[in-house]
Amino acid sequence: DIQMTQSPSSLSASVGDRVTITCRASQGIRNDLGWYQQKPGKAPKRLIYAASSLQSGVPSRFSGSGSGTEFTLTISSLQPEDFATYYCLQYNSYPWTFGQGTKVEIK
Amino acid sequence: EVQLLESGGGLVQPGGSPRLSCAASGFTFSSYAMSWVRQAPGKGLEWVSTINYSGGTTYYADSVKGRFTISRSNSKNTLYLQMNSLRAEDTAVYYCAKDFDYYDSSGYHTRPFEYWGQGTLVTVSS
Repeated sequence: DIQMTQSPSSLSASVGDRVTITCRASQGIRNDLGWYQQKPGKAPKRLIYAASSLQSGVPSRFSGSGSGTEFTLTISSLQPEDFATYYCLQYNSYPWTFGQGTKVEIK
Repeated sequence: EVQLLESGGGLVQPGGSPRLSCAASGFTFSSYAMSWVRQAPGKGLEWVSTINYSGGTTYYADSVKGRFTISRSNSKNTLYLQMNSLRAEDTAVYYCAKDFDYYDSSGYHTRPFEYWGQGTLVTVSS
């Protein structure tokens, strides 16, 4: 199975900050990676697919990059509505696996 | 507008066998793969199972293989998850999700979990 190591597990940031979250795959997954945002009590929402493609309707301050084993999600200017937990997902091979999540909190 | 509405959750005794349903609307259900994802209380997301557009191909996480069965009715636009031999560790919110998959000249491609339902809570306890 492919393991996804996500870091950090949590971070504190202020509105307007640039935030970067990293996922590392235990083996190469090409660009078969997605990023998801989840707010408390709500279903997750897809932000990014194919490592760097922005889901329709998602603000352009979100971006993804990487290929192979190293991936990043960047929020260029953190907004109040962005405080949430973020997960990466590899779908290169079954079983599909999520990172453990990164909780973005208000500083 | 894509809508996914799960049902069938609730309190279940260990060893129980509930069936979850996910009613889909707003897209051509029979054209896309569908998945189940779960989240134990206070924990992260865990992929559970995926079924292809026709129902002819299924995949399962090791944690549920042999106990859960995913299926679909394309005539009813409904996804199912038959859960057997439930354990306390199966307690979770279960989400159904629409995948975006397609074929092109280079083969098959998938972009999982394009849309999610609101989830249904399954609690396994005596």
